[in-house]
Amino acid sequence: AQRVTQPEKLLSVFKGAPVELKCNYSYSGSPELFWYVQYSRQRLQLLLRHISRESIKGFTADLNKGETSFHLKKPFAQEEDSAMYYCALSGRGRDDKIIFGKGTRLHILP
Amino acid sequence: EAQVTQNPRYLITVTGKKLTVTCSQNMNHEYMSWYRQDPGLGLRQIYYSMNVEVTDKGDVPEGYKVSRKEKRNFPLILESPSPNQTSLYFCASSLRGPWNTIYFGEGSWLTVV
Repeated sequence: AQRVTQPEKLLSVFKGAPVELKCNYSYSGSPELFWYVQYSRQRLQLLLRHISRESIKGFTADLNKGETSFHLKKPFAQEEDSAMYYCALSGRGRDDKIIFGKGTRLHILP
Repeated sequence: EAQVTQNPRYLITVTGKKLTVTCSQNMNHEYMSWYRQDPGLGLRQIYYSMNVEVTDKGDVPEGYKVSRKEKRNFPLILESPSPNQTSLYFCASSLRGPWNTIYFGEGSWLTVV
């Protein structure tokens, strides 16, 4: 069964410290993996996707098929990174749905 | 401006009174979907549509209906709302499917009393 697990509901990190938001998935085929972010009073938006292999706002995420993980990382946290982060998984078939994790609230401490 | 627009943004209604939340996108996207966001449960898909006249159930479709008569519109209908449908609802769209970037509306806060 498709499943996305974000083990941390809340992650508090000091400004300037490294950030890692964990995401583990279960999927039988080749998944498309995403990180979506919801800043306060803004709509949910795409942060990055594994296929693009780019860094957005200093964040990166590497797909580890062996560990079935897609952790989101940033070397130095900034206060504006405080937000709700969702890991999501989708297939590419017509009948495939998108599954979101339950989300991790990242709180950057000054 | 390319966007997904949903209305109303805030609504308080009574149990059993039918309501519709409208959703419209101006990006000519084929894929549209509805989600509800609840504390501790994250984002759960209610219904999705791969194209006009094609709709499918998501993970939590009970108590909801949708229709896709035009490409740009995807209304969410609650025929007989109940208090457990009190939630924050998001409409979204993407070019062809969930594997493309999904663009979300601003959300509709619905309270059923």
